[in-house]
Amino acid sequence: QITLKESGPTLVKPTQTLTLTCTFSGFSLSTSGVGVGWIRQPPGKALEWLALIYWDDDKRYSPSLKSRLTITKDTSKNQVVLTMTNMDPVDTATYYCARGHMGDFDYWGQGTLVTVSS
Amino acid sequence: VIWMTQSPSLLSASTGDRVTISCRMSQGISSYLAWYQQKPGKAPELLIYAASTLQSGVPSRFSGSGSGTDFTLTISCLQSEDFATYYCQQYYSFPWTFGQGTKVEIK
Repeated sequence: QITLKESGPTLVKPTQTLTLTCTFSGFSLSTSGVGVGWIRQPPGKALEWLALIYWDDDKRYSPSLKSRLTITKDTSKNQVVLTMTNMDPVDTATYYCARGHMGDFDYWGQGTLVTVSS
Repeated sequence: VIWMTQSPSLLSASTGDRVTISCRMSQGISSYLAWYQQKPGKAPELLIYAASTLQSGVPSRFSGSGSGTDFTLTISCLQSEDFATYYCQQYYSFPWTFGQGTKVEIK
């Protein structure tokens, strides 16, 4: 059974750095072809792809956010961490992690709502 | 960046209806397209990948078609549990992108 779960702060202040952890089970991020991605969704709005890390440590980022994002993995802990610097109220959203299948995302975490407010 | 135009943004339909949702790309993406269903307060769920391959466990009333720049999601006989928002996603090239969503509501 494959599961993913996001964890991190629910409230951050403007200019702070957000650190989110995706803890997963049921698959290994050392298996060829496997990736874990982050996607966010502002309240009432569409999904936005943020970043992806592959089994071989290849990393991809959304160009519009690349300067603010870092994605890393800890294969031994089955975790993927996303950091986003200089948070702004427009970054308020539900953040999801998901397993990359063939480019699609076949398993998703439940999501975590992050509010950016002073 | 590959831009996606998903239409309609809102679709009013009745149980039993056949509905179609369109996703048009700004450039060709072969068949590197997925469709997701999202219900309020829940994470998206994968319905279709590779444009037309049904994800395991997804009812056969869902189908996908198209290649290149034009894609369609069809629900052949709308059920009550299908009222939700649907998104397309391209994974032909980075940055991967999602459509703006189509909300299927009860007529």
